[in-house]
Amino acid sequence: EVQLVESGGGLVQPGGSLRLSCAASGFTFSDHHMDWVRQAPGKGLEWVARSKNRANSFSAEYAASVKGRFTISRDDSQTSLYLQVNSLKTEDTAVYYCARSSSTRDFDYWGQGTLVTVSS
Amino acid sequence: DIQLTQSPSFLSASVGDRVTITCRASQGITSYLAWYQQKPGKAPKRLIFAASTLQSGVPSRFSGSGSGTEFTLTISSLQPEDFATYYCQQLFNYPITFGQGTRLEIK
Repeated sequence: EVQLVESGGGLVQPGGSLRLSCAASGFTFSDHHMDWVRQAPGKGLEWVARSKNRANSFSAEYAASVKGRFTISRDDSQTSLYLQVNSLKTEDTAVYYCARSSSTRDFDYWGQGTLVTVSS
Repeated sequence: DIQLTQSPSFLSASVGDRVTITCRASQGITSYLAWYQQKPGKAPKRLIFAASTLQSGVPSRFSGSGSGTEFTLTISSLQPEDFATYYCQQLFNYPITFGQGTRLEIK
């Protein structure tokens, strides 16, 4: 059974940092691109970043709104995905979901999400 | 960036109704489109991928169609568990984008 479990969210002041983690199990992690998607309270879904698989040299893609502040990474030996979030702004407040990319590029499995609240 | 515009943004319907949600892309995306269902407090769930392929386990009352710039999600006969928010998503290029969502409520 595929499982994605996020952790690391919490309350942080503007300008602060957090490291979000996503522990994956039940599939061959190294075969898949992995993504972060966020959802601000009461708002829609926003794609944040993608970590591509080994076959694609673990390269990354980012949304313009987070580029330069967020860094996605992965540890295939630990089957884990990470998101380092720096220079946080109040508008980064959201539930952050980890998602697995399927062979058709969309997201076939999602975690339950971890809430990041940026507030003074 | 490719913009996805869903219509309507809000839909009120009754159990048994047939409903259609449209997603229009600002440029052609071939069939790189997925549909998701999200219920309050839950993660999104994939319903349709590659524009028209039904996710395993999803009831056959859900269907997707379209290619290029116009896509539709149809629910042939609404059931109580279908009342949720629906999102389209394009995977044609980066950044990956979602539509703004369609909230489907019980009339």
